[in-house]
Amino acid sequence: DGGITQSPKYLFRKEGQNVTLSCEQNLNHDAMYWYRQDPGQGLRLIYYSQIVNDFQKGDIAEGYSVSREKKESFPLTVTSAQKNPTAFYLCASSQVAANEQFFGPGTRLTVL
Amino acid sequence: DAKTTQPTSMDCAEGRAANLPCNHSTISGNEYVYWYRQIHSQGPQYIIHGLKNNETNEMASLIITEDRKSSTLILPHATLRDTAVYYCIVILRVDKIIFGKGTRLHILP
Repeated sequence: DGGITQSPKYLFRKEGQNVTLSCEQNLNHDAMYWYRQDPGQGLRLIYYSQIVNDFQKGDIAEGYSVSREKKESFPLTVTSAQKNPTAFYLCASSQVAANEQFFGPGTRLTVL
Repeated sequence: DAKTTQPTSMDCAEGRAANLPCNHSTISGNEYVYWYRQIHSQGPQYIIHGLKNNETNEMASLIITEDRKSSTLILPHATLRDTAVYYCIVILRVDKIIFGKGTRLHILP
């Protein structure tokens, strides 16, 4: 089946450790996105990429890093510089010319 | 900031039509109105979108006012599985989606 996968569903890390969240899509979409969602809040854009080897900062990029070495993969690293990393992280993808984004199931990160 | 205003929460009886309003008074002429929903702890799911005309699909209907300053999402026969947060979004470009807080819809048995 075509879709977006994120793993793991739940992730626990100690404070001060970097952690990488995976996002894979087999929809052949050019664009991929990372959002963060805090309880009771809407989604906020962290980073997005419209083409391989290129990406742009979103609204809350500080403390995060990404790479786009392959079209189907867009991993997000939450670094120790991110002050409040505990959140629900959502990955999405789309065709660049389209307006609809398809979302993955999300990863809930808890930093202890 | 999100360009839309939605009520924080709404209730609807199971089997009745759920009408979710959205104000987007600063919408520009080439921006689309999109609706997504998010069931607890899952990724958002696309529902429907429109530009000027009313739209209908297997999930819902979208009614956009003539001046495009507001719209209403209609779930014709709400079920308990429709309990979710519903996001009304105005976008021009796919990389510029801004999600507000949405409307938390409770379907009551």
